[in-house]
Amino acid sequence: GEDVEQSLFLSVREGDSSVINCTYTDSSSTYLYWYKQEPGAGLQLLTYIFSNMDMKQDQRLTVLLNKKDKHLSLRIADTQTGDSAIYFCAESTGGESAGNNRKLIWGLGTSLAVNP
Amino acid sequence: EAGVTQSPTHLIKTRGQQATLRCSPISGHTSVYWYQQALGLGLQFLLWYDEGEERNRGNFPPRFSGRQFPNYSSELNVNALELEDSALYLCASSFGGQVGYEQYFGPGTRLTVT
Repeated sequence: GEDVEQSLFLSVREGDSSVINCTYTDSSSTYLYWYKQEPGAGLQLLTYIFSNMDMKQDQRLTVLLNKKDKHLSLRIADTQTGDSAIYFCAESTGGESAGNNRKLIWGLGTSLAVNP
Repeated sequence: EAGVTQSPTHLIKTRGQQATLRCSPISGHTSVYWYQQALGLGLQFLLWYDEGEERNRGNFPPRFSGRQFPNYSSELNVNALELEDSALYLCASSFGGQVGYEQYFGPGTRLTVT
């Protein structure tokens, strides 16, 4: 079935790089997303990558997609205490032709703790 | 520009009662999504409305239902509440369908069933 898996916790030192990993199962995924949820706040889209791309960079964020292994990662360079949050990976399933059967499947989230 | 708003912020109900949660999307967005975020279960997709119609629903029983109004705001109804319905219910809106369009999330409604 459709599934997205992430490790639940990650702890890094301020200034180091963080790498959050995600694996998914649907080979017809068209978009893969990273969302951030800060304490007491709603989810915010950080970045997304289309399935025909291998890499996307946006300032401190780098997304790598290995479509063969169905593996997605989010790298945060120079991690700051303000980056402490839960990071969710999500895939859109069903492909472009699936119409209303498309939906987002979410991982459980990785809680990132940044230590000063 | 106002973001997605949800009401109430907190809701406390007892088993067997009904709960109604409300969501107002960002102006111009036609799609509204409902998610349940229960402890340890991550985000579970509940319902997707677009242009007033239900487009898709997740693996939830029929006592979870909703609707979308002509102004694109939406209501989620949960009937015959059970203890395991206690969760944060998130609403999101987007400009069009799910794939490829960013979903903007509201702050959520915390439902507690006692």
